[in-house]
Amino acid sequence: DTGVSQNPRHKITKRGQNVTFRCDPISEHNRLYWYRQTLGQGPEFLTYFQNEAQLEKSRLLSDRFSAERPKGSFSTLEIQRTEQGDSAMYLCASSRNEDTQYFGPGTRLTVL
Amino acid sequence: GENVEQHPSTLSVQEGDSAVIKCTYSDSASNYFPWYKQELGKRPQLIIDIRSNVGEKKDQRIAVTLNKTAKHFSLHITETQPEDSAVYFCAAGANEKLTFGTGTRLTIIP
Repeated sequence: DTGVSQNPRHKITKRGQNVTFRCDPISEHNRLYWYRQTLGQGPEFLTYFQNEAQLEKSRLLSDRFSAERPKGSFSTLEIQRTEQGDSAMYLCASSRNEDTQYFGPGTRLTVL
Repeated sequence: GENVEQHPSTLSVQEGDSAVIKCTYSDSASNYFPWYKQELGKRPQLIIDIRSNVGEKKDQRIAVTLNKTAKHFSLHITETQPEDSAVYFCAAGANEKLTFGTGTRLTIIP
């Protein structure tokens, strides 16, 4: 499978715990994006990387959220001290420069 | 920042008829307008996109039109089929940061 992959696909955690998600983009895609999608809504932009540089962060990305792409390939999104409001689908996408963004299957987070 | 409004939120059409979904955007700097289809439990998939240097683009049964002056763009699906049933999202931006609409749930009635 040469598409965008995300792990885990589902994560259930208790409020206050830390969680980390991983995204593997399509190989040779230099841009990687994180979005959050809640039920009945469109994806909301969180942040994006060009190679290893994080170029933009949404105001939605509070200081409990951190994203990295250390070698310009895979990326991780960590949420510290999770809250019930963090429950959502976290989508990753990748693109080659300004070409089409291809989405991964998402990680569904449930915070109890 | 960019604000994208999408209408209608739900749309039911008879199989074989056409479906039209409309979006408006606010930021005149936006130059890229993709449309994604999302089936239940699946990832969003691009079905067609348009850049601001063209007014219309067509791919078989799917077409998109863009009016930059009025800041609106539309998706047209002709000869609808049951497999067209899904949620459709429009988006606007400069591609590195896309703002999505709230989606249209399209149901094709056999």
